[in-house]
Amino acid sequence: ILNVEQSPQSLHVQEGDSTNFTCSFPSSNFYALHWYRWETAKSPEALFVMTLNGDEKKKGRISATLNTKEGYSYLYIKGSQPEDSATYLCAFIGNQFYFGTGTSLTVIP
Amino acid sequence: DTGVSQDPRHKITKRGQNVTFRCDPISEHNRLYWYRQTLGQGPEFLTYFQNEAQLEKSRLLSDRFSAERPKGSFSTLEIQRTEQGDSAMYLCASSLTLNSNYGYTFGSGTRLTVV
Repeated sequence: ILNVEQSPQSLHVQEGDSTNFTCSFPSSNFYALHWYRWETAKSPEALFVMTLNGDEKKKGRISATLNTKEGYSYLYIKGSQPEDSATYLCAFIGNQFYFGTGTSLTVIP
Repeated sequence: DTGVSQDPRHKITKRGQNVTFRCDPISEHNRLYWYRQTLGQGPEFLTYFQNEAQLEKSRLLSDRFSAERPKGSFSTLEIQRTEQGDSAMYLCASSLTLNSNYGYTFGSGTRLTVV
């Protein structure tokens, strides 16, 4: 089983703060890297699908970057809002499919 | 199409009983995945289908677990002789291709509690 690691495990930020999380993954047999947002009692929701080294994607206040050579991706949230509170999961797609353990974000109003 | 649906949402069963969960993917998606998520962990891959063919199974999937997708549409996951360690959220997801530009679409999951 490959290691897909996310850090930090949990994070509390004040409303309006910007924040970022890390997903690290094996740099070999890379096919794609997904980011998901998972709110309590809901289904994980796809945020980004990233395939190319150097990819940068943005959706509103959330953006992500990808470095396949060194095996990491960053997720950034600018001006965090309480509704951003969720667990953010990354998934490494290679020969198999591996999720990280997630970063639990709580935005304090 | 309302997305991926899973049934039941919650299941409480006694140790030793068999349980079966159902997943209905998005109709045009030919790939279907099963994951298990326990507290504090990310989803763990169990198995996936392309159409009706089961292409990969995780070694996490003991011989008490079996999954089917008989007509390439809905899928069932059966756990025989349940154990307390099987208590988890079982998630189903579907996608159009291996690397859909839209990622996977997940169902709401089935939460299994074995007592």
